[in-house]
Formats: sequence, C-alpha cells, structure tokens
Amino acid sequence: EAGVVQSPRYKIIEKKQPVAFWCNPISGHNTLYWYLQNLGQGPELLIRYENEEAVDDSQLPKDRFSAERLKGVDSTLKIQPAELGDSAVYLCASSWGLVNEQFFGPGTRLTVL
Amino acid sequence: QKEVEQNSGPLSVPEGAIASLNCTYSDRGSQSFFWYRQYSGKSPELIMFIYSNGDKEDGRFTAQLNKASQYVSLLIRDSQPSDSATYLCAVNGRGSNYKLTFGKGTLLTVNP
Repeated sequence: EAGVVQSPRYKIIEKKQPVAFWCNPISGHNTLYWYLQNLGQGPELLIRYENEEAVDDSQLPKDRFSAERLKGVDSTLKIQPAELGDSAVYLCASSWGLVNEQFFGPGTRLTVL
Repeated sequence: QKEVEQNSGPLSVPEGAIASLNCTYSDRGSQSFFWYRQYSGKSPELIMFIYSNGDKEDGRFTAQLNKASQYVSLLIRDSQPSDSATYLCAVNGRGSNYKLTFGKGTLLTVNP
C-alpha cells in the first residue's frame, strides 16, 4: 500500500513569492490534515478535511494561506505571499475517520530567503 | 500551560537499558493517546496508541496511561542505537474536536 505522497520535498523561495504544496493521501483515507512543524517543535495542525470539506481551519492564517481538496482526494496548500517566518516543514497526513491513527507523508521543507 | 508537555531531553541511555519517556496533558476529556517516533529529517511514524487506563505492550514498547493523573508514558525495553530519535506524544481532543495535539518531543539517544 502506497503511503502519503507529498511534493515537492524541498522548496526555496524569496519572500513575497507564492508557493504551493501538494499531497495525495493513502487510498481510501477520507480525512486529510496539513501540519506545520518548526525545528524543535511538534507538528501543529493548520487544517483538517473530511472528504472535501474543511472542518477545522481555525489555525490557518487565512490572510496568506489557502487550501483546497477538490473531489475529496488530493489536496493543495498555498502560501501567498510567503514570509521569512513561514520557513518550516509542511506535513500532510491522512487517516480513516477522526479517531484512527494518522499516517504522515515525508513533508515539504520550505526555506524563505 | 501547554496542552501537551514533554521533557525535551536529550535523554541518553546505554544500549540494552530501559528508556522511559513521559508526557502530561491538560485536557481531562482527552480520549486517545499516541506515540510517534521521528528520526532526524524524517516525518513522524506511529509506534503506539492507547485509549484505556493501564499498560499496553507491543514488542519492546509499552505505553502506560493514567487518566486520573493526566499522564502517559512510553517504555522502550532493551534499547537499541536504532531507537535514537525524537519521540512525540500526541493527544486527541474530546467531543467533536478530534484535534491531535503534539508535544515538543523528547530526543532519545541510545549509546552503543
């Protein structure tokens, strides 16, 4: 069974530029999560989808961040414009339902110069 | 008060010893508890989960949960150098807010 797929793995951009991350969850997993992980910290939830509906986006900075999960399968997270403080690892995870274990993708390491 | 607290370490143990990792949480209504292992530069991977008070064993790993004390721990028996990683405690919220909240993680180093 294929795991959670993310791309790109690494991204370096200059501040004020836009950037997008893509995630394809494990087949059959209806719940998809985007997390942000800073160095030395645990992952922090940005947004959670149940199928195509964003059911928890309370931690998403909506002035610059947006996400979509069309057709309830893969998802895209966008930052526009990027700021220096956005440098972090962006992790995507998926699960079957809310209470089952979450499986993480390899992450995208973003560096904003 | 942070919702999930872990000692950041580093915790250093000799090979073959028992490593004990601890975690406390603030939400008394939390339902489920997870331990993830994260190697440097890699993503977290689930190693144990526990829902009920008491102990749960899986190979060399034992998770312990005490809801009255709001405390969850992970014991690693016969520690190996390959166990060297950061261990993240994660707690699932109550009710309709099944938000998984992570601690900062404890860095474990197993010395050969």
